[in-house]
Amino acid sequence: ETGVTQTPRHLVMGMTNKKSLKCEQHLGHNAMYWYKQSAKKPLELMFVYNFKEQTENNSVPSRFSPECPNSSHLFLHLHTLQPEDSALYLCASSLRLAGETDTQYFGPGTRLTVL
Amino acid sequence: DQQVKQNSPSLSVQEGRISILNCDYTNSMFDYFLWYKKYPAEGPTFLISISSIKDKNEDGRFTVFLNKSAKHLSLHIVPSQPGDSAVYFCAAGLTGTASKLTFGTGTRLQVML
Repeated sequence: ETGVTQTPRHLVMGMTNKKSLKCEQHLGHNAMYWYKQSAKKPLELMFVYNFKEQTENNSVPSRFSPECPNSSHLFLHLHTLQPEDSALYLCASSLRLAGETDTQYFGPGTRLTVL
Repeated sequence: DQQVKQNSPSLSVQEGRISILNCDYTNSMFDYFLWYKKYPAEGPTFLISISSIKDKNEDGRFTVFLNKSAKHLSLHIVPSQPGDSAVYFCAAGLTGTASKLTFGTGTRLQVML
């Protein structure tokens, strides 16, 4: 049902690996987001892209590197992660009309485990 | 400092009865609020929203109430169904900003047969 897809759904990686998470939205939205959800904590906004331009970096460590080649695709490149980075990573998109309230629609998430 | 709080981590309700999920916020600048539902192994699904110019919004079995003076909102589900069993997140936002939503920690609702 969701118009936002994420791959892979599960990922296990070592601390020295490099991997990428992919998100694609089929809703014609202008904005895309990366969130991190750790156990028993609120969703934490990581990055916001609006019309392919990064508009928000919520003090995220540089071992997380986002890329937004167009309004429909969003990547999160991972390198030299730490075990505490293990979490559910969620992608979302929204229409972002100026002056309007904005509803974000989420993908199913990637469950990341860092060994 | 958590600006959006859901103080009840879990709630159990009998099928057919009313479920009331609560959310408190501290930032009086928030001007719209959303509820999301999340099943295991899935992303949050948008459920219902309300603008701060309203105090009630209804969509089928779901009604959201907003009390701005108390900085409190609640989600009512009537009647509750077993398929409603999920984690419910409230979120708050500011119109016209960089679309930053602030989420609560969620309440796990279990609807029992």
